[in-house]
Amino acid sequence: NAGVTQTPKFRILKIGQSMTLQCTQDMNHNYMYWYRQDPGMGLKLIYYSVGAGITDKGEVPNGYNVSRSTTEDFPLRLELAAPSQTSVYFCASSARLAGSTDTQYFGPGTRLTVL
Amino acid sequence: KQEVTQIPAALSVPEGENLVLNCSFTDSAIYNLQWFRQDPGKGLTSLLLIQSSQREQTSGRLNASLDKSSGRSTLYIAASQPGDSATYLCAVGPTGNQFYFGTGTSLTVIP
Repeated sequence: NAGVTQTPKFRILKIGQSMTLQCTQDMNHNYMYWYRQDPGMGLKLIYYSVGAGITDKGEVPNGYNVSRSTTEDFPLRLELAAPSQTSVYFCASSARLAGSTDTQYFGPGTRLTVL
Repeated sequence: KQEVTQIPAALSVPEGENLVLNCSFTDSAIYNLQWFRQDPGKGLTSLLLIQSSQREQTSGRLNASLDKSSGRSTLYIAASQPGDSATYLCAVGPTGNQFYFGTGTSLTVIP
């Protein structure tokens, strides 16, 4: 099992550009999450999804959009990139079902710099 | 809003020492608490998850305890090794569907 995979690993954007961060999981998890991690700060939830076709905002959703058309994929879209979006982005998934432990599994992260 | 605090922010110990990492949270209405390890430039690896009905979980040299009434969890690492050097984060939740993370404790084990 590959677990949670993310692409790209690194990216540099210019202010105002757009891009999509890809996330795929092969564990058939119903819940998926996008976090950002800034230096010296804890992870902040951007968006999450409880299943295909259902998404909702987390703590810091401004400037981002998501979609969940399949169980496996949960892309994060950045529109009009700003320097404040320079961060490391992590995708995670969990099986939030009766009898499951709800352990979160994380991808390796995407390091994004906006100049 | 749930606030999660981890103290100390950094810790340096000689190899072989037993150590305790602390995690405190403000809202005791949690479903579970999870401890993670993060190596530099890497993602998070789950170490232990404690359900709200449990008091502790053990995995190898690691033991995590949970006291919901006092809003505290501890991660005990026995006989520390240089390979244990990493940042350790705790996460509590979910509140709604959101998990809240601490800022982590950076551990260095000196050979």
